[in-house]
Amino acid sequence: EPEVTQTPSHQVTQMGQEVILRCVPISNHLYFYWYRQILGQKVEFLVSFYNNEISEKSEIFDDQFSVERPDGSNFTLKIRSTKLEDSAMYFCASTLDRGLGTEAFFGQGTRLTVV
Amino acid sequence: DAKTTQPPSMDCAEGRAANLPCNHSTISGNEYVYWYRQIHSQGPQYIIHGLKNNETNEMASLIITEDRKSSTLILPHATLRDTAVYYCIVKRGGGATNKLIFGTGTLLAVQP
Repeated sequence: EPEVTQTPSHQVTQMGQEVILRCVPISNHLYFYWYRQILGQKVEFLVSFYNNEISEKSEIFDDQFSVERPDGSNFTLKIRSTKLEDSAMYFCASTLDRGLGTEAFFGQGTRLTVV
Repeated sequence: DAKTTQPPSMDCAEGRAANLPCNHSTISGNEYVYWYRQIHSQGPQYIIHGLKNNETNEMASLIITEDRKSSTLILPHATLRDTAVYYCIVKRGGGATNKLIFGTGTLLAVQP
């Protein structure tokens, strides 16, 4: 079965440092997403990406965040200057299209710990 | 997208059917009901979706009431591995993206 893969599984970083979280979506999918889940809280939408540009973003996704698809397979989330409150699980997802009935495939997540 | 209401937790005996309810009384005609689950902080996993007809796949069945204001996800023979948080999400198509808005879901505990 196709799967979304994320690396690393766990990242520890110092406050103020930049981090890049990596994802390999399913190969024929066209829409890519990042979500985050702070410990004990809901899964929250961050951003969606299509055709090499952001198609939608939440208010959480401020100027400290950026996304990129540097090649034909990887999809990255960069946090420029991490804060303690960025500590969370970050999930990448992909969908084939945006129509109704499209299921989203999620990766297993990257646990980011900012110290 | 319509708001959903789910019980915060439920128990089910292993081998029995688990019936997880969801209320979505403000659902509109072009909105689908989706179910995902999340096993202990892993990535959410798609289960099933439907519009107005009952649906069944290898994982579960989805029963949607005739007025579409509520639905029930049925796991026919629950196992310990089905212990997870189950999310009912109502989603409208035709938007800019296919983003999902997660609520707090129902924590299903399957007991041995």
